[in-house]
Amino acid sequence: GENVEQHPSTLSVQEGDSAVIKCTYSDSASNYFPWYKQELGKGPQLIIDIRSNVGEKKDQRIAVTLNKTAKHFSLHITETQPEDSAVYFCAATFEGSARQLTFGSGTQLTVLP
Amino acid sequence: NAGVTQTPKFQVLKTGQSMTLQCAQDMNHEYMSWYRQDPGMGLRLIHYSVGAGITDQGEVPNGYNVSRSTTEDFPLRLLSAAPSQTSVYFCASSYLGATGTGELFFGEGSRLTVL
Repeated sequence: GENVEQHPSTLSVQEGDSAVIKCTYSDSASNYFPWYKQELGKGPQLIIDIRSNVGEKKDQRIAVTLNKTAKHFSLHITETQPEDSAVYFCAATFEGSARQLTFGSGTQLTVLP
Repeated sequence: NAGVTQTPKFQVLKTGQSMTLQCAQDMNHEYMSWYRQDPGMGLRLIHYSVGAGITDQGEVPNGYNVSRSTTEDFPLRLLSAAPSQTSVYFCASSYLGATGTGELFFGEGSRLTVL
């Protein structure tokens, strides 16, 4: 089955700096890669996703890049703000597989004022 | 809309007791699932369902049962609780759509402690 590794497990940045979280996956058939944000005491929420037919996707301050050859994808947050502090999860799956997403272990991002 | 509703939010059990975590969604999603979240291990899939009457096992199904009698409800049963089942449990649902993949909507979680 799929295995997703996520690094780092914790990340602290100064407000206004950029943050990068990296994930690698094992199954070359995977073609859908979402990122979820979990605020304290809440369930995860989708913030951005990317499919294997594109290499990069942006949504305001958030971007995701995908390298299918190397089997890794990354989340980039620019101009970080205190409200970006949360746990971020990457995930991977093959579309049509009844959404059996495999999640990474999570990254606790802290944005310091 | 309420979205995905989980009850209870907190529960303490003794080893060997049984209980049911309830999950209901009002979005008419075909797909529903249960995950457990443990420190350093991310979210692991326990069981999932692609429609009423259809369930299947995920990565960590042992010790848990599910059923799906309606589109809206997907309860998770612990038949004989063990300390290893101490965790935070999340129910999630989604629309299957043409690609069979899309956004998962999560409940707020149920924190279970087994003594």
